[in-house]
Amino acid sequence: GAGVSQTPSNKVTEKGKYVELRCDPISGHTALYWYRQSLGQGPEFLIYFQGTGAADDSGLPNDRFFAVRPEGSVSTLKIQRTERGDSAVYLCASSPRAGTSYNEQFFGPGTRLTVL
Amino acid sequence: GNSVTQMEGPVTLSEEAFLTINCTYTATGYPSLFWYVQYPGEGLQLLLKATKADDKGSNKGFEATYRKETTSFHLEKGSVQVSDSAVYFCALRGGGADGLTFGKGTHLIIQP
Repeated sequence: GAGVSQTPSNKVTEKGKYVELRCDPISGHTALYWYRQSLGQGPEFLIYFQGTGAADDSGLPNDRFFAVRPEGSVSTLKIQRTERGDSAVYLCASSPRAGTSYNEQFFGPGTRLTVL
Repeated sequence: GNSVTQMEGPVTLSEEAFLTINCTYTATGYPSLFWYVQYPGEGLQLLLKATKADDKGSNKGFEATYRKETTSFHLEKGSVQVSDSAVYFCALRGGGADGLTFGKGTHLIIQP
């Protein structure tokens, strides 16, 4: 079956611009996660959705970052007034459910964001 | 908070060598532990997992044992192949957090 998909695969923008990154989770998965992976680092947790609501947004670095999942499926990560330090690969993952000790997350290929 | 420390890379080995990649963690409570792998040009994939102390996760010849006394989850393989060349990430979930906490990753290079 189809895995997690993310669009675009690459995004180049200028400092100060607004960007949206999209994630399509595996069908039927209720949990959705966003991570950010900087060069040479492991992924860092940003936000977690259970259904439509953000259950944990403690990883969002500041109020320029926002994410939505209005219908409990597709999610969009929004970054306002982008800065060069926002350049990274943004990963999305989905999981059949959350709140259990075994919680395999299936990752998408990522969106590489470059802020010039 | 949660943290994961894994050995720095790159790690370069010859084919059929024995592999160990060290991973230690800090977390409250009883986290679940994972190894993820990222092959060149591909996304992150779960390699193996362990959900409680003394559990051994295994897959594709790789093994890791959840050691609570040493807060470790070292990855091992008895005989590596060129196709094992990838970046390996140790990760945990727990301590009240739903997201995964990852280490920095270890780049493994296997030479024929």
